[in-house]
Amino acid sequence: QKEVEQDPGPLSVPEGAIVSLNCTYSNSAFQYFMWYRQYSRKGPELLMYTYSSGNKEDGRFTAQVDKSSKYISLFIRDSQPSDSATYLCALLKARDDKIIFGKGTRLHILP
Amino acid sequence: EAGVTQSPTHLIKTRGQQATLRCSPISGHTSVYWYQQALGLGLQFLLWYDEGEERNRGNFPPRFSGRQFPNYSSELNVNALELEDSALYLCASSLLLGTGNSNQPQHFGDGTRLSIL
Repeated sequence: QKEVEQDPGPLSVPEGAIVSLNCTYSNSAFQYFMWYRQYSRKGPELLMYTYSSGNKEDGRFTAQVDKSSKYISLFIRDSQPSDSATYLCALLKARDDKIIFGKGTRLHILP
Repeated sequence: EAGVTQSPTHLIKTRGQQATLRCSPISGHTSVYWYQQALGLGLQFLLWYDEGEERNRGNFPPRFSGRQFPNYSSELNVNALELEDSALYLCASSLLLGTGNSNQPQHFGDGTRLSIL
């Protein structure tokens, strides 16, 4: 069983829609959860960084962690064409040094 | 604040040659990480350096090696290049991650695209 699963997409949604991106994981030891955005030919850019269960909001972005279900989500409100990118979830165990990345979901926002 | 910088942007080599990739971390960051992002495989952890020492390495052969300098910049060296080494090589930096009371996220550069002909 893979440590983290992420649907590669592509996911196409119309401009202005709410986008939901998700990852599932298998190891309950993960305690730190991150979302990165990667544009073509660029490095991943950190969007959200959360610890343990709960929600965290930053502008149009909301990260949600459900440790009981081992499920993490990133919601994008009022999606814009500039949000078109690959979104990677990333997980880290406490007192560990190796971040485990999902393979990324390609998102297309249609004008 | 300057981000993580990597050079060169692109590198073209032939099989059997050696490649050297360079990374400068964000000022104040002591940890440097190297990742390989090959098509369809996602981000694969290569190496982690902190305070000049190799702290951990991923499941890659010994021909992938590197070092960290006193100014915390880092080099990744790949010897005896093979066609499957063609990938985007990403460097990330952070404050010391995973130990003590601080767990800081990693910040990435834009990578070096290595092409093996």
